[in-house]
Amino acid sequence: QKEVEQDPGPLSVPEGAIVSLNCTYSNSAFQYFMWYRQYSRKGPELLMYTYSSGNKEDGRFTAQVDKSSKYISLFIRDSQPSDSATYLCAGLDTGRRALTFGSGTRLQVQP
Amino acid sequence: NAGVTQTPKFRVLKTGQSMTLLCAQDMNHEYMYWYRQDPGMGLRLIHYSVGEGTTAKGKVPDGYNVSRLKKQNFLLGLESAAPSQTSVYFCASTTGNSNQPQHFGDGTRLSIL
Repeated sequence: QKEVEQDPGPLSVPEGAIVSLNCTYSNSAFQYFMWYRQYSRKGPELLMYTYSSGNKEDGRFTAQVDKSSKYISLFIRDSQPSDSATYLCAGLDTGRRALTFGSGTRLQVQP
Repeated sequence: NAGVTQTPKFRVLKTGQSMTLLCAQDMNHEYMYWYRQDPGMGLRLIHYSVGEGTTAKGKVPDGYNVSRLKKQNFLLGLESAAPSQTSVYFCASTTGNSNQPQHFGDGTRLSIL
């Protein structure tokens, strides 16, 4: 079983839609959870991070973590064509400061 | 501010050849990492370093070696390349504080024939 599971998509939505991206994880030691965005032929860039359970909002993006069910979510409101990218969720092993990534979900926002 | 720079960007090797990938960061970060990214597998940690002169194994270290002789540089070596090592390699660095992000380079695309 992978430590972080993520639906690979692709997910195609019209511009303006609300997007929900989800991951599950199995490692109870993860304390920090991150969402990275990766454009084609580029390195991942941090979008949001959350410590333990709870919500965090930043503009059109909301990250949610439910540690009881080991479920991580990212919501994108008013999606834009520029949001088209691959979204990677990750859990942080605080001992090694190393991330364990999901396989990524490819999102396409149609104009 | 360049951030994390990886060289080369592309390379084609023959099976059995050796090569070194270079990662350089100008943010004075303590921690540096090498990941590989394969379709459907996400990024997997190969090796990492928590400071100059230190290295440690990640989840998929076999067939790779690393060195961190200078704080700003982290080298990934393939001694005898195999087709299974065809991948996109990413380097990342961070301060080491848990709430600080890892900064990634733009990757090295390596094909082994």
